[in-house]
Amino acid sequence: KQEVTQIPAALSVPEGENLVLNCSFTDSAIYNLQWFRQDPGKGLTSLLLIQSSQREQTSGRLNASLDKSSGRSTLYIAASQPGDSATYLCAVHNAGNNRKLIWGLGTSLAVNP
Amino acid sequence: ETGVTQSPTHLIKTRGQQVTLRCSSQSGHNTVSWYQQALGQGPQFIFQYYREEENGRGNFPPRFSGLQFPNYSSELNVNALELDDSALYLCASSPDRGYGYTFGSGTRLTVV
Repeated sequence: KQEVTQIPAALSVPEGENLVLNCSFTDSAIYNLQWFRQDPGKGLTSLLLIQSSQREQTSGRLNASLDKSSGRSTLYIAASQPGDSATYLCAVHNAGNNRKLIWGLGTSLAVNP
Repeated sequence: ETGVTQSPTHLIKTRGQQVTLRCSSQSGHNTVSWYQQALGQGPQFIFQYYREEENGRGNFPPRFSGLQFPNYSSELNVNALELDDSALYLCASSPDRGYGYTFGSGTRLTVV
């Protein structure tokens, strides 16, 4: 059974810091891994999608890596800004006929001015 | 048409009532999933439809049911509402397996 864990659960940093959010999963049989951002009370915004054959994806100040063999992904945020404050969720798209996403509980990030 | 649209955005219902939530997916997205997210929790998988047939279900009772239509829209129906059904309900669609999911903004359901 696939399980996804995110560390840390919460993070508070001063503006300008580079930071790393971690996601681990127990079953390497995945199609892809997706990082999402969620603002309080809002829906989910997709940040980066990494296919199982890829090692990393980049979008602006965000970089996500994937090591499928070790069951790990990291989301790197460069030069953090107060507007980056949100909950960041990692979700794994399981291989097989059931195509559901398996979710971590998220990392709550606060970037302080 | 781009994006995933959910309606209504907010809804208040009384315990015991029935509710229908709607989702309009991107054209060509033949997979749609529904999730329930309680306050402070991660999304919980309710069920998924692929080409109008249910092909996966989470740990939700039968009073949670759904439909997917040929025009890429879908519905989530909940009967006999309970107070614990109060949550943000999210719809997500994908063109096919191996692709990422796009989420709607959700419907906030409050049961009183």
